[in-house]
Amino acid sequence: QVQLVQSGAEVKKPGASVKVSCKASGYTFSKYGVSWVRQAPGQGLEWMGWINAYNGHAVYAQNLQGRVTMTTDTSTSAAYMELRGLRSDDAAIYYCARDIDHDVDYWGQGTLVTVSS
Amino acid sequence: QTVVTQEPSLTVSPGGTVTLTCACNTGAVTSNYYPNWFQQKPGQAPRALIYSTTNKQSWTPARFSGSLLGGKAALTLSGVQPEDEAEYYCLLNYGGAWVFGGGTKLTVL
Repeated sequence: QVQLVQSGAEVKKPGASVKVSCKASGYTFSKYGVSWVRQAPGQGLEWMGWINAYNGHAVYAQNLQGRVTMTTDTSTSAAYMELRGLRSDDAAIYYCARDIDHDVDYWGQGTLVTVSS
Repeated sequence: QTVVTQEPSLTVSPGGTVTLTCACNTGAVTSNYYPNWFQQKPGQAPRALIYSTTNKQSWTPARFSGSLLGGKAALTLSGVQPEDEAEYYCLLNYGGAWVFGGGTKLTVL
């Protein structure tokens, strides 16, 4: 069965970077893309970007350009999202989701990122 | 900036029918925006329901259906069950980038 398992919770100081991993299983990783979505406490969902797992081509949300980098490792079927220059409003649950042909179907369990001095 | 708008909240009686909509400030929503719909319950990750306007995921109950209605994407729940109480989000594609709606809190009362 398809599963996306994310790394554990992180606590970071303002200005630091965080890198969240998303390990996929149950399907051919390189045939799909991965979208990253975040949700601040009590707020809605925000799409952060998408990466093609086959060729590494990524598209980022405009408001995160320059601070976010998405990568994949097809040898381990893992996707990564790194966010730099953390601010208090980056505190959120970060999700990865499988994304192909405009179908966002399976989601990871989420990774809580806390930003606190 | 693209803004996707949903009803903030709706209430429906058990067994009733309710339609949630998803509009964008750039004009009518068409199938070219590949609307997706998700359900999220407190403390859980979102669960996919509908993709590309009308297509159900393999686990989506038959009472959920997607469509285009009056220039908006729509999610209709027919024969609502108590367990359908949740937040619902639409997702639209704009030339490779996705934008979420603000979500609709559906209360079953």
